[in-house]
Amino acid sequence: DAGVTQSPTHLIKTRGQQVTLRCSPKSGHDTVSWYQQALGQGPQFIFQYYEEEERQRGNFPDRFSGHQFPNYSSELNVNALLLGDSALYLCASSLSQGFYEQYFGPGTRLTVT
Amino acid sequence: AQKITQTQPGMFVQEKEAVTLDCTYDTSDQSYGLFWYKQPSSGEMIFLIYQGSYDEQNATEGRYSLNFQKARKSANLVISASQLGDSAMYFCAMRDLANAGGTSYGKLTFGQGTILTVHP
Repeated sequence: DAGVTQSPTHLIKTRGQQVTLRCSPKSGHDTVSWYQQALGQGPQFIFQYYEEEERQRGNFPDRFSGHQFPNYSSELNVNALLLGDSALYLCASSLSQGFYEQYFGPGTRLTVT
Repeated sequence: AQKITQTQPGMFVQEKEAVTLDCTYDTSDQSYGLFWYKQPSSGEMIFLIYQGSYDEQNATEGRYSLNFQKARKSANLVISASQLGDSAMYFCAMRDLANAGGTSYGKLTFGQGTILTVHP
């Protein structure tokens, strides 16, 4: 039973560039959430996708956008990268019904120079 | 708005001893869930234990137990018989249990974390 997978593992980008991060949820899960974790901090919620629509959004600017595909996988896009976007980006998947646990992937470490 | 407070930036414990990691929360919701996650240096968040706001019994999962005191709004994690592999960052988190159309959703709100170091 495959868990949550994310790609790439590490990424280095330059200010102003755009980046796309990918996530495949745990088998059977239909909901994907994205979190940003700055160094030494707790994760901050970016947004959540269910049935290919953004269902809930945290306090992040429109530069952060996402998508969910029919197979429940998801992408996180960040435009016009800032140095402050450097962080670990975590994807979590869950079931829309039943137990409320969110399973996390290993994360993508984004460095903006 | 929900808030999680972890007041211990770092904790040290001797191998085989028990340790308590503190967590207090603030919410106006009646229905919510409390979680503890472990994050090793590799970065992956590992689920440890869950407590629902209406659960009357404290949750237990192997060596982990959650000391839930609803009136005090605290949800402390107790790790018994610490092992060297327990050294990691630990996060307390809360999830509002929103429901819509028969499905549940709700973001996790995390605390700042506590770094636990287990000494041999």
